[in-house]
Amino acid sequence: SQQGEEDPQALSIQEGENATMNCSYKTSINNLQWYRQNSGRGLVHLILIRSNEREKHSGRLRVTLDTSKKSSSLLITASRAADTASYFCAISGNTPLVFGKGTRLSVIA
Amino acid sequence: EAGVTQFPSHSVIEKGQTVTLRCDPISGHDNLYWYRRVMGKEIKFLLHFVKESKQDESGMPNNRFLAERTGGTYSTLKVQPAELEDSGVYFCASSTRGNTEAFFGQGTRLTVV
Repeated sequence: SQQGEEDPQALSIQEGENATMNCSYKTSINNLQWYRQNSGRGLVHLILIRSNEREKHSGRLRVTLDTSKKSSSLLITASRAADTASYFCAISGNTPLVFGKGTRLSVIA
Repeated sequence: EAGVTQFPSHSVIEKGQTVTLRCDPISGHDNLYWYRRVMGKEIKFLLHFVKESKQDESGMPNNRFLAERTGGTYSTLKVQPAELEDSGVYFCASSTRGNTEAFFGQGTRLTVV
């Protein structure tokens, strides 16, 4: 299965702390994307990292990709209560996006 | 430019009834995808259109689900008859040909009671 798998399944931190989520996958990919879903709302695209990239930044987000280990991490720095959501990695190879089960992040004010 | 829009945002129906979900992709996007997230589980791929053709429908759970994309513009996903396990959030996404960065709609939350 190409399915990405996020780790941990749930994460609870204090506002201002950093949050790190990991994603592992099993097959070769063209790119890996991270999405966020706030409770009951739609999916928001956060960042895309291509298979030939190792690190990418966007605001308070930092994504790394290690294709040799078939893993990626999403770091959210200086977290805010509004960052509370489910975060999904999605891998793209030769098929449509395949999502993992997500990490549920709770940021406590 | 309008993003991907989905209608309705929320639907509550009784078991055995029929529901039709609609997705309007971004104008000019040939690729249109349907996904579903059942409560607390992963987001699962349902099917993929390229223009009006079904490119991949391997994720469709059973023949109670019917998707169409007449004219290669908007798409509908009909569930008939609906069952309790069909409850979840149905997402639609679109992308340009050859581009795997997909843009998602806000989803339709379907509740079957």
